Amino acid sequence: DQQVKQNSPSLSVQEGRISILNCDYTNSMFDYFLWYKKYPAEGPTFLISISSIKDKNEDGRFTVFLNKSAKHLSLHIVPSQPGDSAVYFCAASNQAGTALIFGKGTTLSVSS
Amino acid sequence: NAGVTQTPKFRVLKTGQSMTLLCAQDMNHEYMYWYRQDPGMGLRLIHYSVGEGTTAKGEVPDGYNVSRLKKQNFLLGLESAAPSQTSVYFCASSSVGNTIYFGEGSWLTVV
Repeated sequence: DQQVKQNSPSLSVQEGRISILNCDYTNSMFDYFLWYKKYPAEGPTFLISISSIKDKNEDGRFTVFLNKSAKHLSLHIVPSQPGDSAVYFCAASNQAGTALIFGKGTTLSVSS
Repeated sequence: NAGVTQTPKFRVLKTGQSMTLLCAQDMNHEYMYWYRQDPGMGLRLIHYSVGEGTTAKGEVPDGYNVSRLKKQNFLLGLESAAPSQTSVYFCASSSVGNTIYFGEGSWLTVV
């Protein structure tokens, strides 16, 4: 059973508009959440994270929102740029534990 | 900065052959991981290690073995390769409770 779910395999957005990527999780023990970005033929790179003690974390054009009661988080990219086109993975962990569990990813395409 | 380095980057194996993927990190991280990425499946954890001399199973450990004899190295072994192990393999490392950093990937094809 998937513990981290990204239900939208793909998302298309126009340059300058907002991109919203969603992620749901089932394990209530998760308390640390991250977003990774991946270009073809490269390893995933860290984008932004949030601890369960917060409900929002912002870094430039990227903001992550966490709704613990709904076990839901989202990544907002404003404004979207063509260079943002990539696969975005949501990941979660228990800080007292170890490895990250990833979702299946959402492919974002930003058109100019 | 080298970060996380994986070797080899590309490899073609015949069914039944064995091979080892090597991961090296120069960040003095305690934790190291091996993931595989398959189309439509995201990143799935194979094995991980919380320190030198320790290993643990992840989500999809069958068919793989690992060893962490030195803190900076994490080896992933395939004793008898199968076509189902055709995948892109990513090594990663982290400090306790912190962000994990990935290598660039190793493309393995089993024919």
